Amino acid sequence: RKEVEQDPGPFNVPEGATVAFNCTYSNSASQSFFWYRQDCRKEPKLLMSVYSSGNEDGRFTAQLNRASQYISLLIRDSKLSDSATYLCVVGGSSNDYKLSFGAGTTVTVRA
Amino acid sequence: ETGVTQSPTHLIKTRGQQVTLRCSSQSGHNTVSWYQQALGQGPQFIFQYYREEENGRGNFPPRFSGLQFPNYSSELNVNALELDDSALYLCASSLGGHTTDTQYFGPGTRLTVL
Repeated sequence: RKEVEQDPGPFNVPEGATVAFNCTYSNSASQSFFWYRQDCRKEPKLLMSVYSSGNEDGRFTAQLNRASQYISLLIRDSKLSDSATYLCVVGGSSNDYKLSFGAGTTVTVRA
Repeated sequence: ETGVTQSPTHLIKTRGQQVTLRCSSQSGHNTVSWYQQALGQGPQFIFQYYREEENGRGNFPPRFSGLQFPNYSSELNVNALELDDSALYLCASSLGGHTTDTQYFGPGTRLTVL
């Protein structure tokens, strides 16, 4: 079983729509969670960290469900510039060094 | 921009050759992690260097090796290249070696093995 699994999509949505997707992780001891954004053939960039209580950054909302071991990302009022691959990233225990990446969910926002 | 730089940007090698990739970390960062990203996949952790020592390693064979220098820049060396080594190689720098420390990625080196 992969450490982090994501729905690859693609999610094709019109501008202004809301899009949401999840990822699941296998290590119940994981302590840190992130969403990274990766544009085509570019490096991943941190979008947001994900906290146990859930958190919001502008149009982006992330939720963590430790019991079911999944993380979600919701994008409201989608913009053309939101078109990208979103990588779900999970860290191990507090002394761990390794980040595990999902394969990414592709989102395309159309005009 | 993250301040993390990598060189070269692109590289073409043939099977069996050796390659060295370089990474300069963001100012003030003492940790560098290396990742391999194959087409259509997420980055896979190769290893991490913290203050010039290897701090952990993923499931990569010994022909993948690395170094970190006193200025915290780093090298990734791959010997006996195989076709499957073709990928984007990313380095990421951070303030420390824990997963809670935000990692900032460089632009990557795209390696093609023929």
